[in-house]
Amino acid sequence: SQTIHQWPATLVQPVGSPLSLECTVEGTSNPNLYWYRQAAGRGLQLLFYSVGIGQISSEVPQNLSASRPQDRQFILSSKKLLLSDSGFYLCAWSLVKGLTDTQYFGPGTRLTVL
Amino acid sequence: KNQVEQSPQSLIILEGKNCTLQCNYTVSPFSNLRWYKQDTGRGPVSLTIMTFSENTKSNGRYTATLDADTKQSSLHITASQLSDSASYICVVRWTGRRALTFGSGTRLQVQP
Repeated sequence: SQTIHQWPATLVQPVGSPLSLECTVEGTSNPNLYWYRQAAGRGLQLLFYSVGIGQISSEVPQNLSASRPQDRQFILSSKKLLLSDSGFYLCAWSLVKGLTDTQYFGPGTRLTVL
Repeated sequence: KNQVEQSPQSLIILEGKNCTLQCNYTVSPFSNLRWYKQDTGRGPVSLTIMTFSENTKSNGRYTATLDADTKQSSLHITASQLSDSASYICVVRWTGRRALTFGSGTRLQVQP
C-alpha cells in the first residue's frame, strides 16, 4: 500500500530564516506530486506540482520554491520566510488515471512564522 | 475566474441526525468533482468523486449528488456519528487543467 510522509509536523521559524519541508511517498512509482498551502479558514491553494524528477510547475508567484531530487521526494523551500508564509502545508500525490485520479494527502506541516 | 463556494460555513447537529452540505460552482464543464473530509490538523481524505456525467455517488453513510444544470453538488450524511466532526471540502477539477479548485469547506460538529 502507498503511504505519504511529511516532516516536520510543526515548525516555528523567525522571519527571514530559511525553510525546508520534505515529503516522501512510498509504495508507488512516478507519482504526480503537489504542494498546497491552507491558510486559516481558507481553501487549499496549489503552490507547486511535479510530474517527474526535476519537473516543477509553479501555480502562484511567491518566495517559495520546490524541488524533486528523486522520484518520490518533493521538497518545499524558502531562502527567507515572510510572516505571510504561515499556514498549513500539505503534500499530496496522485497517479493520473483518466478523469478520476484522486489526490492523497500527507499529514501536513503547521508552519508559524514569527 | 473559477470558483467553488460551500455552505453553510459551519454546522452543528446532534448525533444520529442527518445533514446536507452544499457546494456551488460557477464554471462548467469540469472533469470531476470530489468531496474530501479533513480532520483538524490532518490532510484531507477523499470521500467521493464524480465525473461530469454522474448524478450520485455513495460511500457508506456519505452520498454525494450532482446537478450539472444548476451547477450544484451536495453531500448528505446519514445517521451522523461523533467521528463525522470535521471539515468537508468540495473540490473541482476543471476540464483541461491539472490544478484543483478547493472550496473553503464546511465545518461540521456532531454533538452527543
